[in-house]
Amino acid sequence: NAGVMQNPRHLVRRRGQEARLRCSPMKGHSHVYWYRQLPEEGLKFMVYLQKENIIDESGMPKERFSAEFPKEGPSILRIQQVVRGDSAAYFCASSPGTGRGEKLFFGSGTQLSVL
Amino acid sequence: AQKITQTQPGMFVQEKEAVTLDCTYDTSDQSYGLFWYKQPSSGEMIFLIYQGSYDEQNATEGRYSLNFQKARKSANLVISASQLGDSAMYFCAMREGGGFKTIFGAGTRLFVKA
Repeated sequence: NAGVMQNPRHLVRRRGQEARLRCSPMKGHSHVYWYRQLPEEGLKFMVYLQKENIIDESGMPKERFSAEFPKEGPSILRIQQVVRGDSAAYFCASSPGTGRGEKLFFGSGTQLSVL
Repeated sequence: AQKITQTQPGMFVQEKEAVTLDCTYDTSDQSYGLFWYKQPSSGEMIFLIYQGSYDEQNATEGRYSLNFQKARKSANLVISASQLGDSAMYFCAMREGGGFKTIFGAGTRLFVKA
């Protein structure tokens, strides 16, 4: 039973390029969350998606960042025109529901480095 | 607005001793869930324990227990009989009943000494 799959594990981009991070939730999970973690800091919520819908994007920067979870295929976090400040670990998580007791199942993260 | 506070950036504990990691939270909701996650140096996030706001008993999972004091809005993690493999970052998290997102504290780095 595969867990949450994220790829790539490491991504290096030059300033101004685009970064695409992919996440396949656990089988049977229709709720996907993206978090960003800076070194020695906690996880900051970015966006919550269900299939074909963005439900809560209150933590996502208004510019350059977008997320999608299409009917078929993985969820994608897209960062356009990356800057050095985008360097961070990006974690995807999924859950089977949205109750207060729903724990999150995390992927291994994507470490984005912007040169 | 919901908020999680972990005031201990780093903690040391001797192997086989117990250690308490502090967590306080703020929410205006009556229904919420509290979680602890462990992040070893390899980076993955591992779920440890859950406490619901209506649960009267403190949650326990093996060597982990959650000291839940609702009036004080605290949800401290107690690790008994520490092991070297417990060295990691520990994050307290909360999810409101009517919300969709889980928020995390800044974390506590635990060092277990042999």
